[in-house]
Amino acid sequence: NAGVTQTPKFRVLKTGQSMTLLCAQDMNHEYMYWYRQDPGMGLRLIHYSVGEGTTAKGEVPDGYNVSRLKKQNFLLGLESAAPSQTSVYFCASTRTGTGNEQYFGPGTRLTVT
Amino acid sequence: GQNIDQPTEMTATEGAIVQINCTYQTSGFNGLFWYQQHAGEAPTFLSYNVLDGLEEKGRFSSFLSRSKGYSYLLLKELQMKDSASYLCAVRVLNTNAGKSTFGDGTTLTVKP
Repeated sequence: NAGVTQTPKFRVLKTGQSMTLLCAQDMNHEYMYWYRQDPGMGLRLIHYSVGEGTTAKGEVPDGYNVSRLKKQNFLLGLESAAPSQTSVYFCASTRTGTGNEQYFGPGTRLTVT
Repeated sequence: GQNIDQPTEMTATEGAIVQINCTYQTSGFNGLFWYQQHAGEAPTFLSYNVLDGLEEKGRFSSFLSRSKGYSYLLLKELQMKDSASYLCAVRVLNTNAGKSTFGDGTTLTVKP
């Protein structure tokens, strides 16, 4: 099992450009999440999904959109990148039920100039 | 919402014991997780507490007191590879989505 994978690993964007980050998991998990992590800070939830075809806003959703067309994939889109979106983005997934830990992808380091 | 507090940084010596504290204020507490994150890497799961008491797993133990809104992670026989950030994360009831709110993390440096 590959677990949770993310592409790309690194990306540099100019202000105003758009891009999509792809997250894939092969553990048949129902729940998936997108976080951002800024230096010296914890993980902040951007959007999440409780199943195929459903998404919901997290703590910091502005400037991002998501889609979950297939259970194993969760896409994060930036329509018009801003320097404030420079960050490391982590995708995670977990099983349903309480007490289940989240499994994280390796992260995408995004720089917006 | 949830308010989670952890010390920003800690330093300890190889072979020693270190305790990393986490306090939280939340409504509808439904479990607390500890994750380890090495620099430049993804967080990985260490422990989960939902009832009061101590959970031991090898060199790592985690304690929870729900009445005090308090948890700690205890690392024994410290090794250089334990240098990492340790994230406390709280889950609340009725989210129905497995969501957790993360603290800002404690960066632990282990010195020879």
